[in-house]
Amino acid sequence: QSALTQPASVSGSPGQSITISCTGTSSDVGGYNYVSWYQQHPGKAPKLMIYDVSKRPSGVSNRFSGSKSGNTASLTISGLQAEDEADYYCSSYTSSSTFAVFGGGTKLTVL
Amino acid sequence: QVQLVESGGGVVQPGGSLRLSCAASGFTFSSYGMHWVRQAPGKGLEWVAFIRYDGSNKYYADSVKGRFTISRDNSKNTLYLQMNSLRAEDTAVYYCVRGVTVLDYWGQGTLVTVSS
Repeated sequence: QSALTQPASVSGSPGQSITISCTGTSSDVGGYNYVSWYQQHPGKAPKLMIYDVSKRPSGVSNRFSGSKSGNTASLTISGLQAEDEADYYCSSYTSSSTFAVFGGGTKLTVL
Repeated sequence: QVQLVESGGGVVQPGGSLRLSCAASGFTFSSYGMHWVRQAPGKGLEWVAFIRYDGSNKYYADSVKGRFTISRDNSKNTLYLQMNSLRAEDTAVYYCVRGVTVLDYWGQGTLVTVSS
């Protein structure tokens, strides 16, 4: 199965907003509202930040938001903070013979 | 609190086998689907396998199909990954993850190194 497509890196200054895209197909991102986003700091396990396209788990800052249009999902982080610097991955359920697929990951740098 | 603790990682020669375990606690294990997700050194996340709450259905990534087997023992609150015919490209940290379409809790991972 092909991975979802994410930009390799994005950057922003403290206080700014950034958006990370995640492009798939009608068999995954475009076909279902089962897109999730994960944050991973170096040496740590991933942490769920957004699920079902735009829902936030309890305890996740409201600076994190998600959306979807067609085959592309997006994660927006507003009011960037130094602690947001991490790798971010999208994932989706897929109707292919597998079950789930991840994006290649995006490294966020807070300048 | 939800805890997932992986074990069984280590160094194995190409062509060898290894079985990973994941001990679950803090939730009703038998009610949840479970995944294995791996991450090669310096690389991104790769979904490996999923098993439904009752073990009735299993799904695999193309890269491991026919070589890996996911299973569970709900009486022991434990998830397994039997890995056979291991290759160098299977070298990774393997994470045990709770959920179906939402992977909400992750273990800390166990490192598998395939090398001669």
